[in-house]
Amino acid sequence: AQSVTQPDIHITVSEGASLELRCNYSYGATPYLFWYVQSPGQGLQLLLKYFSGDTLVQGIKGFEAEFKRSQSSFNLRKPSVHWSDAAEYFCAVGGTDKLIFGTGTRLQVFP
Amino acid sequence: DTAVSQTPKYLVTQMGNDKSIKCEQNLGHDTMYWYKQDSKKFLKIMFSYNNKELIINETVPNRFSPKSPDKAHLNLHINSLELGDSAVYFCASSRTSGSGYNEQFFGPGTRLTVL
Repeated sequence: AQSVTQPDIHITVSEGASLELRCNYSYGATPYLFWYVQSPGQGLQLLLKYFSGDTLVQGIKGFEAEFKRSQSSFNLRKPSVHWSDAAEYFCAVGGTDKLIFGTGTRLQVFP
Repeated sequence: DTAVSQTPKYLVTQMGNDKSIKCEQNLGHDTMYWYKQDSKKFLKIMFSYNNKELIINETVPNRFSPKSPDKAHLNLHINSLELGDSAVYFCASSRTSGSGYNEQFFGPGTRLTVL
């Protein structure tokens, strides 16, 4: 079955600290992987995506993610978190049609 | 220059009513989607249309009826609204290509509250 697991429901970090949000997937074919961010009351914004090639992908707002096929993971990282990064983060996997989302990780940033 | 727009942004209604949510994209995409985000923030696809044809229908109650008058529009009509229909509904669109997956662009969402 196709699924995405985000084990951390809620993460709190201090501003300036590094961040890693975990994502594991189960998918029968070559996955296309995505991270989206949802700010309060807003829609979904694509942070980055992995289709093929280099397993370390760079995204917007200083985020990056690394695809590890052996671990079925696609973790999101940022070296230094800003207060404006506080939001809900969704990992998703897709084929040629629908996206399957994880349950999201809520990021809280303390000054 | 809104890429994917939805109306209304908020919708509050009584149980049993019928309501519609509209979605429009100006990206020239040929595939459009409806997703539902429940109170626990879980996002799940409901429907997708490609060139006005229904492609995906994910075991959604038949009270929900999508309508695509043209490639740029995908509306969602809901009959006999129930409390459990309260959610945020997101529209998305993408362009079909031969290279595999096609990036989906999301609208701002419509928050539906059924009283």
